Amino acid sequence: DGGITQSPKYLFRKEGQNVTLSCEQNLNHDAMYWYRQDPGQGLRLIYYSQIVNDFQKGDIAEGYSVSREKKESFPLTVTSAQKNPTAFYLCASSISAGNGYTFGSGTRLTVV
Amino acid sequence: EDQVTQSPEALRLQEGESSSLNCSYTVSGLRGLFWYRQDPGKGPEFLFTLYSAGEEKEKERLKATLTKKESFLHITAPKPEDSATYLCAVQITGANSKLTFGKGITLSVRP
Repeated sequence: DGGITQSPKYLFRKEGQNVTLSCEQNLNHDAMYWYRQDPGQGLRLIYYSQIVNDFQKGDIAEGYSVSREKKESFPLTVTSAQKNPTAFYLCASSISAGNGYTFGSGTRLTVV
Repeated sequence: EDQVTQSPEALRLQEGESSSLNCSYTVSGLRGLFWYRQDPGKGPEFLFTLYSAGEEKEKERLKATLTKKESFLHITAPKPEDSATYLCAVQITGANSKLTFGKGITLSVRP
């Protein structure tokens, strides 16, 4: 079955560490997105990519980095510069503008 | 700036008690309005896309409608399994495909 796979489901980060969240899709979608979800805040866009080897900052990109070397993969790195990284991270993809997103099941990141 | 506001923040219904969830939006140009359902600890699940004022879509007990300023998600005779957070999002016209989300409405349906 086609879909989006996020891993790991739970991730713990120590202060000062960089961590990478994985997102893989086999839907043959061109566009991929990363959102952060905090209680009471809704989904906020971190980065998005509409085509391989190209990506744009979203509304809250500071402290995060991404790459898009393959159509299927869009990993997100949470760097030590992100001061409040504890959140639920969601990856999504879409075939083109005007179409809805397919979401992954999310990664819950906690700073310890 | 594009804005999406959902109300109420939370809604508690008795099983069978019909109601509506509201999503009001302010955008430069609307390409589409999207409704999603999200269960706790899971990713959002797509429900509907609406593209123009007057459009309506239905799925089981849910019906989504769209005007030039807002969208409603009507829930008819809800069941406890309809309990979830309902998210509204807008996509503006142009080449950009990103969605701007509201904060969501948490619906609880009591048996």
